[in-house]
Amino acid sequence: SYELTQPPSVSVSPGQTASITCSGDKLGDKYVCWYQQKPGQSPVLVISEDKKRPSGIPERFSGSNSGNTATLTISGTQAMDEADYYCQAWDSSTAGVFGTGTKVTVL
Amino acid sequence: QVQLVQSGAEVKKPGASVKVSCKASAYTFTSYGINWVRQAPGQGLEWMGWISAYNGKTNYAPKFQGRVTMTTDTSTTTAYMELRSLRSDDTAVYYCARSLQAAGTGFDYWGQGTLVTVSS
Repeated sequence: SYELTQPPSVSVSPGQTASITCSGDKLGDKYVCWYQQKPGQSPVLVISEDKKRPSGIPERFSGSNSGNTATLTISGTQAMDEADYYCQAWDSSTAGVFGTGTKVTVL
Repeated sequence: QVQLVQSGAEVKKPGASVKVSCKASAYTFTSYGINWVRQAPGQGLEWMGWISAYNGKTNYAPKFQGRVTMTTDTSTTTAYMELRSLRSDDTAVYYCARSLQAAGTGFDYWGQGTLVTVSS
């Protein structure tokens, strides 16, 4: 089965840039989405189709995808960005796969 | 605004079945599909499957094939997910989430989640 691997945790200082990676075989050939989930809440879509920001998502969130790695970048990180982040892609049989998740801590 | 409102928490015994509903509003129900995603306590997200609200076509994750059934009722704009032969490791929050296509597009609206507890 297809697997997506993320670092368990990322720490960032307020105002700095946080980069969260998502690795999978030939991931660059697939569309990747990213979700933010805060404790006790439902996930929120922050990036779709590699780099599209849904309405209402701040410009500081951006995405890229190439080779075997997709990256979610949070520029000028704010305390409110502290959350778990999950990448998602679809395998060859169109089954959805989520990444292992990354906890972002804003120190 | 677009809303997905799920049914309330359930407690089930091992071997039983559970059926969770997801009531959609404020959009054209048949223009989108509904995904089901679950999250065990303290764990990550797990995709269970997708159903087209247009024609009822389904795509289930291999792990749940044979044990899950997803349906929709266009007259009430409600999606359902039934999971059978429950085990303790099925204890999780179950979410419904809207997507434009079966694959490739993100889940742009999510329900509030339904906690299903499986315990003897």
